[in-house]
Amino acid sequence: SAVISQKPSRDICQRGTSLTIQCQVDSQVTMMFWYRQQPGQSLTLIATANQGSEATYESGFVIDKFPISRPNLTFSTLTVSNMSPEDSSIYLCSASEGARETQYFGPGTRLLVL
Amino acid sequence: QKEVEQNSGPLSVPEGAIASLNCTYSDRGSQSFFWYRQYSGKSPELIMSIYSNGDKEDGRFTAQLNKASQYVSLLIRDSQPSDSATYLCAVSPSSNTGKLIFGQGTTLQVKP
Repeated sequence: SAVISQKPSRDICQRGTSLTIQCQVDSQVTMMFWYRQQPGQSLTLIATANQGSEATYESGFVIDKFPISRPNLTFSTLTVSNMSPEDSSIYLCSASEGARETQYFGPGTRLLVL
Repeated sequence: QKEVEQNSGPLSVPEGAIASLNCTYSDRGSQSFFWYRQYSGKSPELIMSIYSNGDKEDGRFTAQLNKASQYVSLLIRDSQPSDSATYLCAVSPSSNTGKLIFGQGTTLQVKP
């Protein structure tokens, strides 16, 4: 299984600022995803990070708010832009080898927006 | 109707008992099904994956899939206090894009 790391592990940010979260996988993977988990809630998919092309966003999530990069098969970033307290959440990166394959999760980034 | 439904619980079982966790899904064409365990403050970790109708066993865990009834379950035998966690059911929809749809999770409490 892929080993996934995320940076930062947690952060406290001011309203109106932006934070970029990094996700690094220890091997090349076909697919990478970004999820949000709000307090006491389950996981909600933000977008699929596509290597070499624009990310595919789920309903309710837009590129201007959550720009995503995936420059290669092992690395992706998620930016949370113009943050508000409602963006306080855990952001999780995951990776898989294919459409029907298991997704493995990074440790998450705990974001608090004041 | 939610795409993936679970009873949020908490489900409380005594140590040594069998815990039964259930999940239903709405996309009849779904092909891949996963159970993840999430401890408080941690990220989800895979427990089981199942792709075909029937049972799949791994140690104390058994996943059961019934595609006709659109139902997947997880049985935990000889439950231990260390099994206390939230169990998330995840389904890969028929669109085959690789994404997962998660249920809201069932909180399991195993009491010594």
